Amino acid sequence: GAGVSQTPSNKVTEKGKYVELRCDPISGHTALYWYRQSLGQGPEFLIYFQGTGAADDSGLPNDRFFAVRPEGSVSTLKIQRTERGDSAVYLCASSSNPSTSRSSYNEQFFGPGTRLTVL
Amino acid sequence: RKEVEQDPGPFNVPEGATVAFNCTYSNSASQSFFWYRQDCRKEPKLLMSVYSSGNEDGRFTAQLNRASQYISLLIRDSKLSDSATYLCVAPSGNTGKLIFGQGTTLQVKP
Repeated sequence: GAGVSQTPSNKVTEKGKYVELRCDPISGHTALYWYRQSLGQGPEFLIYFQGTGAADDSGLPNDRFFAVRPEGSVSTLKIQRTERGDSAVYLCASSSNPSTSRSSYNEQFFGPGTRLTVL
Repeated sequence: RKEVEQDPGPFNVPEGATVAFNCTYSNSASQSFFWYRQDCRKEPKLLMSVYSSGNEDGRFTAQLNRASQYISLLIRDSKLSDSATYLCVAPSGNTGKLIFGQGTTLQVKP
């Protein structure tokens, strides 16, 4: 079946511009996560959606970053007034439902990412 | 101190070698851990889960030492196709969000 898809695969923009990154999760997955991966680092958590609501946005670096998931499926990560430090690969992941027990885990499936370059 | 720490390597080993990676974590309440594999310019993919003392899957063995708060990944009989970055991961809280280590790069050479 289809996995997580992300568009665009690459985005080059200029400092100060606005960008939108899209994520299509696996059909039926209620949990959706956004991560950011800088070169030579592991992914860093940004935000988690359960259904339509952002259940945890503690990883968003500042108020220039915002994400939505209006119908509980596709999600869009929005970055205003981009800065060169925003350059990274933005990864989206989905799972069937969030872990509610410390001893259980529902595998997160990652999309191929969007490589954002801010000039 | 980072929540999950790994030696970034790189580890350069010949085919057939046995190689081990260690990872330390700071949250003593963490119950489960994972190793993800990430190929160059690709997305991370789950390799193994570790819920108790350890887990074995073919050439791969993951072990958990709660007293010392570290997780290890052992790869036996290394193949060229094992070349990748291995990410140590711990879930945080009850939302399933993942805390990743920096990753350890493995290069298996003929």
